[in-house]
Amino acid sequence: EPEVTQTPSHQVTQMGQEVILRCVPISNHLYFYWYRQILGQKVEFLVSFYNNEISEKSEIFDDQFSVERPDGSNFTLKIRSTKLEDSAMYFCASTPGLAGVKYTDTQYFGPGTRLTVL
Amino acid sequence: AQSVSQHNHHVILSEAASLELGCNYSYGGTVNLFWYVQYPGQHLQLLLKYFSGDPLVKGIKGFEAEFIKSKFSFNLRKPSVQWSDTAEYFCAVNAQPGGSYIPTFGRGTSLIVHP
Repeated sequence: EPEVTQTPSHQVTQMGQEVILRCVPISNHLYFYWYRQILGQKVEFLVSFYNNEISEKSEIFDDQFSVERPDGSNFTLKIRSTKLEDSAMYFCASTPGLAGVKYTDTQYFGPGTRLTVL
Repeated sequence: AQSVSQHNHHVILSEAASLELGCNYSYGGTVNLFWYVQYPGQHLQLLLKYFSGDPLVKGIKGFEAEFIKSKFSFNLRKPSVQWSDTAEYFCAVNAQPGGSYIPTFGRGTSLIVHP
């Protein structure tokens, strides 16, 4: 069964450094998402992406964050200058969206990248 | 905007015990409700979802959930848990009209099943 993959599984970085988290969504899916989960807290939506542009974003997704689909398979989340509070598990997800997005769509998640900011 | 809360943060059970994990949401309109599970070292994956019809929804691995509109609840149940059910369980909701199709997640419930 096709899966969403994410790399790396764990990233450790110094405060102020830039990080890029990578995701390969399921190949025929059209909508892509990033979520994060700070330890012990809720899974929070960051951004959704469709047709090479952001379709929705949350208030968490400020100017420090950006997303890109640099080629036909990868979907990346960049944090320009990491802060301690960016330490979290970051999940990528995708949904088919072939007939437009549906409220009943199942999100297909990757395994997550644990980001630790020191 | 929709919101969801999961009251049990950590649950520890012995094998064969019955399970019920609470999920309550707040939204006045039509909701779609989801339970996702994350087994250790694996992806978040869908257990079951409700969007219309029979409020008792059956999912994979013997799980079921009941949508009770009057209580704004969508509790997850399993009559007899196994050690392999040890995982993190997430309730999620999206809502229409007026709400986003992006699901809002709860903080999750960690279930540990002792053999």
